[in-house]
Amino acid sequence: DAGVTQSPTHLIKTRGQQVTLRCSPKSGHDTVSWYQQALGQGPQFIFQYYEEEERQRGNFPDRFSGHQFPNYSSELNVNALLLGDSALYLCASSWTGSAGLSQYFGPGTRLTVL
Amino acid sequence: DAKTTQPPSMDCAEGRAANLPCNHSTISGNEYVYWYRQIHSQGPQYIIHGLKNNETNEMASLIITEDRKSSTLILPHATLRDTAVYYCIVRVESGGSNYKLTFGKGTLLTVNP
Repeated sequence: DAGVTQSPTHLIKTRGQQVTLRCSPKSGHDTVSWYQQALGQGPQFIFQYYEEEERQRGNFPDRFSGHQFPNYSSELNVNALLLGDSALYLCASSWTGSAGLSQYFGPGTRLTVL
Repeated sequence: DAKTTQPPSMDCAEGRAANLPCNHSTISGNEYVYWYRQIHSQGPQYIIHGLKNNETNEMASLIITEDRKSSTLILPHATLRDTAVYYCIVRVESGGSNYKLTFGKGTLLTVNP
């Protein structure tokens, strides 16, 4: 049983470009959350998707948007990239029927903005 | 969710117990204490959580003080593979998984041979 998978592993973009990151949740999970982790910091919550809708959102600008598909996979889109968007982007999946502890993280996508 | 305070770094000898403290003096009565860890270049991994009773699983033990203002994560026999950043998080348990995790900077635990 594959855990949470993310693609790509690494990505290099230039300022002003747009990027799409992808996440496949663990089998049986229906909720996907995205986090941004800057170097030396803890992960910061971006937003969470359930039933193809954004359910919660952290303190991130509208340049950050997402989508969840019927198969529960998810995409994170970032427009007009800034140097400060360079970070590790983590996806976490969970099942609404479980207790809060069951949030599983993927290995992340390392985004570098030049 | 309540804020937590952890030491930025700790060292431990391999085979010895690692005791990681966390202060959460503003914790509310319905907030749980969670511990995650993040090994270099990997995503965070759930370790254990508790409300007010001490908890133990195959990975670690969690000791919560009677007033719930602080807790200690104990790795009974630390190995080199336990070198990681350990995060203490407090949050309301609302049932289901429709919630966010608020991470601080955590404690970098280095296990030395």
